[in-house]
Amino acid sequence: GQQLNQSPQSMFIQEGEDVSMNCTSSSIFNTWLWYKQEPGEGPVLLIALYKAGELTSNGRLTAQFGITRKDSFLNISASIPSDVGIYFCAGYNAGNNRKLIWGLGTSLAVNP
Amino acid sequence: EAQVTQNPRYLITVTGKKLTVTCSQNMNHEYMSWYRQDPGLGLRQIYYSMNVEVTDKGDVPEGYKVSRKEKRNFPLILESPSPNQTSLYFCASSFLQGEQYFGPGTRLTVT
Repeated sequence: GQQLNQSPQSMFIQEGEDVSMNCTSSSIFNTWLWYKQEPGEGPVLLIALYKAGELTSNGRLTAQFGITRKDSFLNISASIPSDVGIYFCAGYNAGNNRKLIWGLGTSLAVNP
Repeated sequence: EAQVTQNPRYLITVTGKKLTVTCSQNMNHEYMSWYRQDPGLGLRQIYYSMNVEVTDKGDVPEGYKVSRKEKRNFPLILESPSPNQTSLYFCASSFLQGEQYFGPGTRLTVT
């Protein structure tokens, strides 16, 4: 099935650094979702985006719906050890609202 | 509390022994879905359901069955499990074209 291109695949950073990750698609999307998965748990929704150009924050997290509708970005400011986990992007393709398309995830490690 | 529950959380079984993983949600969501997660492969959809009595195949449906007799429940059935079905399984639910909410996962090992 279709997958989103998510990068980077993994990141290892120092506590206090800012983090950026992105997700791209070859087709237009109506919705972008960002999830975080901690070890042994299910993915948890962080931010949902519904309009091109939309910029939404959730604490230290900020996500944007790209104006081309083919990409989205997630930034984490001033990282802390509890930010460790796998971050997934997902979205609904404009041509198919039945299926949520997923990226393969960005694994984030934070060195205290 | 709004949630998706799955049972069991951990299961070790043998090849060929039928098993069922239950999933229930209390958010009145129309849409429910099963995923499997394997290292390096992300989340792959097994089956989904748009509403009661409406189910459809996802990307990796072989070896699995589902049913949706009630809106809140969406069990995953493995009629004859094989070792290649050893995986971490997640159930999720949402309103149509909405944000999906996930259960805690079921770690299945088939020997």
